[in-house]
Amino acid sequence: EVQLLDSGGDLVRPGGSLRLSCAASGFTFSIYAMCWVRQAPGKGLEWVSGISDSGAITYYTDSVKGRFTISRDNSKNTLDLQMNSLRAEDTAIYYCVRGGIYGYRSDHWGQGTLVIVSS
Amino acid sequence: DIVMTQSPDSLAVSLGERATISCKSSQSVLYSSTNKNFLAWYQQKPGQPPKLLIYWASTRESGVPARFRGSGSGTDFTLTISSLQAEDVAVYYCHQYFTTPLTFGGGTKVQIK
Repeated sequence: EVQLLDSGGDLVRPGGSLRLSCAASGFTFSIYAMCWVRQAPGKGLEWVSGISDSGAITYYTDSVKGRFTISRDNSKNTLDLQMNSLRAEDTAIYYCVRGGIYGYRSDHWGQGTLVIVSS
Repeated sequence: DIVMTQSPDSLAVSLGERATISCKSSQSVLYSSTNKNFLAWYQQKPGQPPKLLIYWASTRESGVPARFRGSGSGTDFTLTISSLQAEDVAVYYCHQYFTTPLTFGGGTKVQIK
């Protein structure tokens, strides 16, 4: 069974940093691209970032470029999102998602981890 | 960026009746070489992550009931729930995975009338 366990969400002050992690199991992690998608409270879905299966190629939505860094460790089956210079508008539930880029549907989602940016 | 526009924002349908949701993309999401539309539909219930219902615009994900049907091509797509059940109350999102940035429609809230 495919499982994605998101973690790392917390309350952080504007300008602060946070690192989210996703532990994957139940599938061959190293052959899938992965993404992060977020959802602000009561709002819709927003794709944040994606990474190729090898980790060599990364993609970001414009609003997080230069502030967020996506990475993965295929030896540990983990996906990370380093978030710096956080803003109030980054407040959201962050979902780890299998697939998404390279024409592969986002077929499995983690339960999400909540990030609150507030003073 | 490809903008995904859903309509309506919400709809109320009687149990057993049909619910229809429209989704339009600002650019075609049809890849001509494979004749596949890179369009998916998701269902999200409160407190849960989105669940994949339909991909390639019309292929049901494993385990999804046959009452969910996706159709359309190019820039115009439809999700139809043929006979609404109580458990179908949720927000539905269309999503293009044709190109980055990946984008989602604004969502359609489906309720029971």
